[in-house]
Amino acid sequence: GQQLNQSPQSMFIQEGEDVSMNCTSSSIFNTWLWYKQDPGEGPVLLIALYKAGELTSNGRLTAQFGITRKDSFLNISASIPSDVGIYFCAGPLFGRGSQGNLIFGKGTKLSVKP
Amino acid sequence: GAGVSQSPSNKVTEKGKDVELRCDPISGHTALYWYRQSLGQGLEFLIYFQGNSAPDKSGLPSDRFSAERTGGSVSTLTIQRTQQEDSAVYLCASSWAGNTEAFFGQGTRLTVV
Repeated sequence: GQQLNQSPQSMFIQEGEDVSMNCTSSSIFNTWLWYKQDPGEGPVLLIALYKAGELTSNGRLTAQFGITRKDSFLNISASIPSDVGIYFCAGPLFGRGSQGNLIFGKGTKLSVKP
Repeated sequence: GAGVSQSPSNKVTEKGKDVELRCDPISGHTALYWYRQSLGQGLEFLIYFQGNSAPDKSGLPSDRFSAERTGGSVSTLTIQRTQQEDSAVYLCASSWAGNTEAFFGQGTRLTVV
């Protein structure tokens, strides 16, 4: 089935560092969503992207909708300890029986550098 | 309510028993999603309701799983004859019609012993 591939799978951050992660697909998406999940909680929506090439910011977070519509990127500037968690990309699936259900990547886990 | 509400928050059941998990979406949201998340894993799509359309059940892993949405609001996910591999967190989300920005509940942690 359709898949969203996230990379890296995990990474360690040191306070103050910038962080980058991405999400790719073999299919075109018309919407990209980025979520963050803390332990024991449901995912929380961070940023929504609707147009190819769009660059959207939410505080220290910036996300881009790739020009090919097959990828998206999330950057976190000047990371702080509370940025640790799992970041998921998601997009709605249409066609072949799908009516817009959201599919998710497997996530990028951010941890603090020991 | 202010957000998506799921109940119970935790459920321990014996293998072979049936369980029902409940989701109260945000008022006015016509789209409702169920996902399953095993420990340390991503979100596995189960079922999607959108308004009065037939639900997208393509993610249900077996015929032991079913879901209903009554009156376009509350949804119940039922797992019959539970197995140990059903142990996971079950997450519900809802969104406005035509808008895929979905908001999640806290999840129900199901443990089958």
